Amino acid sequence: EPEVTQTPSHQVTQMGQEVILRCVPISNHLYFYWYRQILGQKVEFLVSFYNNEISEKSEIFDDQFSVERPDGSNFTLKIRSTKLEDSAMYFCASSGRPGTTQETQYFGPGTRLLVL
Amino acid sequence: DAKTTQPNSMESNEEEPVHLPCNHSTISGTDYIHWYRQLPSQGPEYVIHGLTSNVNNRMASLAIAEDRKSSTLILHRATLRDAAVYYCILTSGTYKYIFGTGTRLKVLA
Repeated sequence: EPEVTQTPSHQVTQMGQEVILRCVPISNHLYFYWYRQILGQKVEFLVSFYNNEISEKSEIFDDQFSVERPDGSNFTLKIRSTKLEDSAMYFCASSGRPGTTQETQYFGPGTRLLVL
Repeated sequence: DAKTTQPNSMESNEEEPVHLPCNHSTISGTDYIHWYRQLPSQGPEYVIHGLTSNVNNRMASLAIAEDRKSSTLILHRATLRDAAVYYCILTSGTYKYIFGTGTRLKVLA
């Protein structure tokens, strides 16, 4: 069964450093998403991406965040200058077209980011 | 954004059926009802979804009320591996899924 994969599984970084989280979506999906979950809290939407453009983003997704699809398979989330409060699990998801029977989002296992 | 209401927690004995309820009284005609579950330290896992009719798959069944204002996820025989947080989410052509606090299911051996 196809699945979304994410690397690394864990990342420890110093405050102020840049991190790049990577995701390989399901191969025939064209809609991509990032969510995060701070320990003990809800899963929160960050951003959605389609056709090399951001479709929707939340207020969490400020100028420190960016997303990119550098090649035909990977989808990345970059945090330019990490803060302590960026420590969380970050989940990537992918789907077919929203509003259709293919809209179900499939999530990856997550990257646990710890900012020291 | 459409809202769903779920009990904070439920318990079940192993090998018994579990009915997880979800209320969504403000559902619109185009909203799909999606269920996900999240095991500790893992990503949300798709369980099942439906629009109007009841649905079955290898993991669970989804019973949707006739007025669509509520739904029930049915696990036919709970196992210890089913212990997780279960989320009911309404989607309607939107990009973002809004996760609530879900129902924490505890399965007793």
